[in-house]
Amino acid sequence: NAGVTQTPKFRVLKTGQSMTLLCAQDMNHEYMYWYRQDPGMGLRLIHYSVGEGTTAKGEVPDGYNVSRLKKQNFLLGLESAAPSQTSVYFCASSYDAGGSYEQYFGPGTRLTVT
Amino acid sequence: DAKTTQPNSMESNEEEPVHLPCNHSTISGTDYIHWYRQLPSQGPEYVIHGLTSNVNNRMASLAIAEDRKSSTLILHRATLRDAAVYYCILRGYGSGNTGKLIFGQGTTLQVKP
Repeated sequence: NAGVTQTPKFRVLKTGQSMTLLCAQDMNHEYMYWYRQDPGMGLRLIHYSVGEGTTAKGEVPDGYNVSRLKKQNFLLGLESAAPSQTSVYFCASSYDAGGSYEQYFGPGTRLTVT
Repeated sequence: DAKTTQPNSMESNEEEPVHLPCNHSTISGTDYIHWYRQLPSQGPEYVIHGLTSNVNNRMASLAIAEDRKSSTLILHRATLRDAAVYYCILRGYGSGNTGKLIFGQGTTLQVKP
C-alpha cells in the first residue's frame, strides 16, 4: 500500500515552459486535492476533484489546469510556468469530504521556475 | 469557514508531555477538529481528529472543551522526531462539501534534547 505518490520530486523550469505533475493514490479514494505551499506559509488549495471525471477550482487556481480521467490519478498542469509558481506542491486524497475522514498527503514536488 | 487560532511557536524538552492549544470559537456543530503535522521537508501527516469527546490514538490525545470552542493536542512524551509544525483545522460539510482543509500558520514545536 503506497498511499499517495507524486511524480516528479523535483523540477526546474524556465519561464514559459509547461509541465504536468502526477499524483496517484491506491486507497480507492473519491476525493483528491492539489495544494501549494510557499516558504513559511500554510498550504493553499489549487484545485480539487470529488470523483473520476470531475474537477473544481480551489483558492488559487489561476495558471493551473487539472484532470482526473482515472479515479486513482489526479494531474496538475502548468501551461506556461511563471516565477510566481515556484513552490512546493502537495497532492492529497480522502475517502469522503465529511469531517470524520482524514486526508492523506503525498511527499510533495518542489518546483522552481527561473 | 470557521477559523482556528494557535500560538506561533512552543518549546518542549525531550520525553516531557506537550500540550498544544487551539481556539476555534466560531466552530459549527458539524465541524470536526483535525490535527495534522508537517515535519521538515515532508508533506502534512494526519495526527488525530474528534467531534465532541476526547480521543486517543497511538500518536497523541485530543482534549476537546465542553463548549467545543477550544481543544488541546497532547503529545505524552515528546521526542526529537516530534519537532514539526502542528496545524489545527476544522473540517466539515460547511465548506460546500469539498472537504478542503484550510491551513493557518500552525504552531512550530521545538523539542530540546
